[in-house]
Amino acid sequence: NSKVIQTPRYLVKGQGQKAKMRCIPEKGHPVVFWYQQNKNNEFKFLINFQNQEVLQQIDMTEKRFSAECPSNSPCSLEIQSSEAGDSALYLCASSHRDRGNERLFFGHGTKLSVL
Amino acid sequence: GDQVEQSPSALSLHEGTGSALRCNFTTTMRAVQWFRKNSRGSLINLFYLASGTKENGRLKSAFDSKERYSTLHIRDAQLEDSGTYFCAAVASSGSWQLIFGSGTQLTVMP
Repeated sequence: NSKVIQTPRYLVKGQGQKAKMRCIPEKGHPVVFWYQQNKNNEFKFLINFQNQEVLQQIDMTEKRFSAECPSNSPCSLEIQSSEAGDSALYLCASSHRDRGNERLFFGHGTKLSVL
Repeated sequence: GDQVEQSPSALSLHEGTGSALRCNFTTTMRAVQWFRKNSRGSLINLFYLASGTKENGRLKSAFDSKERYSTLHIRDAQLEDSGTYFCAAVASSGSWQLIFGSGTQLTVMP
């Protein structure tokens, strides 16, 4: 169904540690999204990119996260100093961003546990 | 802010029966996607609609932007249909993000 590849599948970190996860979008998709899904199945938009440029991001992402989508390399999302509340499933999605079809395709996610 | 209200939150069906899930939107949306979260936690694409209806096997979805709702109909439910279903919509104005519903946990019983 989806060819978005996320690594690692699971990530365990202590509080204060950096946590980095990667995403390879589907080939030909210029737009990449990161979402956080908590244990209550609530989705929170974090940031999106078009090619290498940030389109939108929320305040939390701006302050505590660093994210990039360099050309010819996987996209990445890194939490600079993990907190217990960051434990969640981090989902990457990509899209054509064609006005006629803005469908998003999600990867399997990286499940982060902050101990 | 823009909201997506999904119902019901949980649904139990016997094999072979059917039902509908619904998402109401508080503002005009330009497209909707429906997903199923499988047992491994992956979001499986079911439908993308910018208008009208689509059908795929035992699933059928409709989206009415003007009336601000979308539905997902399941007929002849099978055990493997069990999972959590999400709708997610793109607002017509401003930012291009998917706004997710809260999910419907479907259990199909023998």
